[in-house]
Amino acid sequence: AQTVTQSQPEMSVQEAETVTLSCTYDTSESDYYLFWYKQPPSRQMILVIRQEAYKQQNATENRFSVNFQKAAKSFSLKISDSQLGDAAMYFCAGGGPNSNSGYALNFGKGTSLLVTP
Amino acid sequence: NAGVTQTPKFQVLKTGQSMTLQCAQDMNHEYMSWYRQDPGMGLRLIHYSVGAGITDQGEVPNGYNVSRSTTEDFPLRLLSAAPSQTSVYFCASRRTGGQPQHFGDGTRLSIL
Repeated sequence: AQTVTQSQPEMSVQEAETVTLSCTYDTSESDYYLFWYKQPPSRQMILVIRQEAYKQQNATENRFSVNFQKAAKSFSLKISDSQLGDAAMYFCAGGGPNSNSGYALNFGKGTSLLVTP
Repeated sequence: NAGVTQTPKFQVLKTGQSMTLQCAQDMNHEYMSWYRQDPGMGLRLIHYSVGAGITDQGEVPNGYNVSRSTTEDFPLRLLSAAPSQTSVYFCASRRTGGQPQHFGDGTRLSIL
């Protein structure tokens, strides 16, 4: 079975500071993809960043970057220079060519990020 | 380009009623799926489709039915609504392989 675990229900960061959200995953598949999604109060699901598990290089999108540790099956999200608009629920998700659900995503339970002025 | 469109955005039903949540995408994506989101949980897969005419069950399929007659549309039917189906429902689509899923804005469904 594929599982994704987020162990931090809530995190808080001051504006302009850096915060890291943790995520671990468990799969035996080598062809696996990992994602971070942001869900603001509007409840839209917004893609933040994507990582291919067979690549060692950490993905980066502007102020967002990942620390991908393949051996540890860890996929943490680092947000630099935090802004008030970063406040949201963040979901880690993973998917692969599982025969039961064809690349459907398995989601963690989410981390609620509070950004304080 | 509208992306993934879900209707309605909000709905209140009585126990035992049936209804259909609509989902349409205009990106010619082969893969479509339905998730439900409950408080304190992530998103859980209800049903998915890898192409027109092909559907299959996800993690929590009981009480729901789907069909995929066209590439664009993937409706989700609640056969006999139960309070346990009170949730926020998301439809998503993607191209093949490990491409990111594009989500609709969600439907908040309350069953009394």
